[in-house]
Amino acid sequence: DSGVTQTPKHLITATGQRVTLRCSPRSGDLSVYWYQQSLDQGLQFLIQYYNGEERAKGNILERFSAQQFPDLHSELNLSSLELGDSALYFCASSPGGGVSSPLHFGNGTRLTVT
Amino acid sequence: AQKITQTQPGMFVQEKEAVTLDCTYDTSDPSYGLFWYKQPSSGEMIFLIYQGSYDQQNATEGRYSLNFQKARKSANLVISASQLGDSAMYFCAMREGLLKLTFGTGTRLTIIP
Repeated sequence: DSGVTQTPKHLITATGQRVTLRCSPRSGDLSVYWYQQSLDQGLQFLIQYYNGEERAKGNILERFSAQQFPDLHSELNLSSLELGDSALYFCASSPGGGVSSPLHFGNGTRLTVT
Repeated sequence: AQKITQTQPGMFVQEKEAVTLDCTYDTSDPSYGLFWYKQPSSGEMIFLIYQGSYDQQNATEGRYSLNFQKARKSANLVISASQLGDSAMYFCAMREGLLKLTFGTGTRLTIIP
């Protein structure tokens, strides 16, 4: 058990809808990362937060947004969903940003857009 | 240019044999970290091993070791005495500075009984 909690585990929704994915980092970890894993794109970095502030942005679409709350949990909001958004979405956390800190991943949320 | 390259899409290995999964990386940052993750069919990402760019010795964690060749920019994962439970996708990743992990495309390892 990595200590990172993601909910829900599975999500099935229709095109055009909006969903929210939730992540609770490991106790004491200040950094939260979101990744998208699809069959044809591999693991793609979306966004990173550190102690409530956005730290880095990756290949995150404008239809997607995220935030990290004062209690350090994070939410990823996906709107105007398209079939291509179907993927496994991972949240990961680390204590800080040092190169020696591994990211610990949650079990992911599997999103299916129909 | 790809920062992390894993050239073996799939590998089949006999149980109890050792296996080496290849990983090369590209960075101009003198300080970086290299990581390996395992993703079983159940989907979770499991951290296996870490190697820092300044580490003089190769990292080891149980049956996992990292063959770090800095001049060649390679960080191969070696699994000794493979087991059926080692069947999974394996990802090499790199961290530069305070930033995210960048992942390779992965190698699917299948252990044959």
